Amino acid sequence: AQTVTQSQPEMSVQEAETVTLSCTYDTSESDYYLFWYKQPPSRQMILVIRQEAYKQQNATENRFSVNFQKAAKSFSLKISDSQLGDAAMYFCAYKEEYGNKLVFGAGTILRVKS
Amino acid sequence: SQTIHQWPATLVQPVGSPLSLECTVEGTSNPNLYWYRQAAGRGLQLLFYSVGIGQISSEVPQNLSASRPQDRQFILSSKKLLLSDSGFYLCAWSWGALGIQYFGAGTRLSVL
Repeated sequence: AQTVTQSQPEMSVQEAETVTLSCTYDTSESDYYLFWYKQPPSRQMILVIRQEAYKQQNATENRFSVNFQKAAKSFSLKISDSQLGDAAMYFCAYKEEYGNKLVFGAGTILRVKS
Repeated sequence: SQTIHQWPATLVQPVGSPLSLECTVEGTSNPNLYWYRQAAGRGLQLLFYSVGIGQISSEVPQNLSASRPQDRQFILSSKKLLLSDSGFYLCAWSWGALGIQYFGAGTRLSVL
């Protein structure tokens, strides 16, 4: 079974600085999808960014970008110019190409200091 | 555009009482539907998912059940709540191969 590991329970970043959240996963599949979700204090889960495994180019959404290393099975999230509103729990998730379920990591709490 | 509604937002129930949480999706047809539970400060545990009316897959044996009486309606139920059923419950939907899941606002359940 696929697993997703987020090895950093908590991270802190100074406002306007850059932070990278780590995620590794285990799969024997060659095609799949990866996601980062954000859960702010309101607890509403929000999609931040997604990556298709067949695409070599790293996904980018404004201040959010990923470093997708397929051979290493690594999918880290970089947040540039951190803002107070970025403070949240961040979850990495994996989906098989034709699967119906997401496999979530345990999450990383990101604190942003002013 | 698609929207997902989940209610109630907060619920306090005594041990042994029944439970019914409802989730509906608008603006799409034949979505996949999901129920998750999240303990405080923890990750998401998938409880049930459904790929069509009357089709329910259970991920974790427990005191809960799910039903999908209509295409865009997903209900989480229990006949007798336990203290351990307390938590934050999230409903989600997805559609298509990409499988992005979109989440409701959640229900905070306290069993006392």
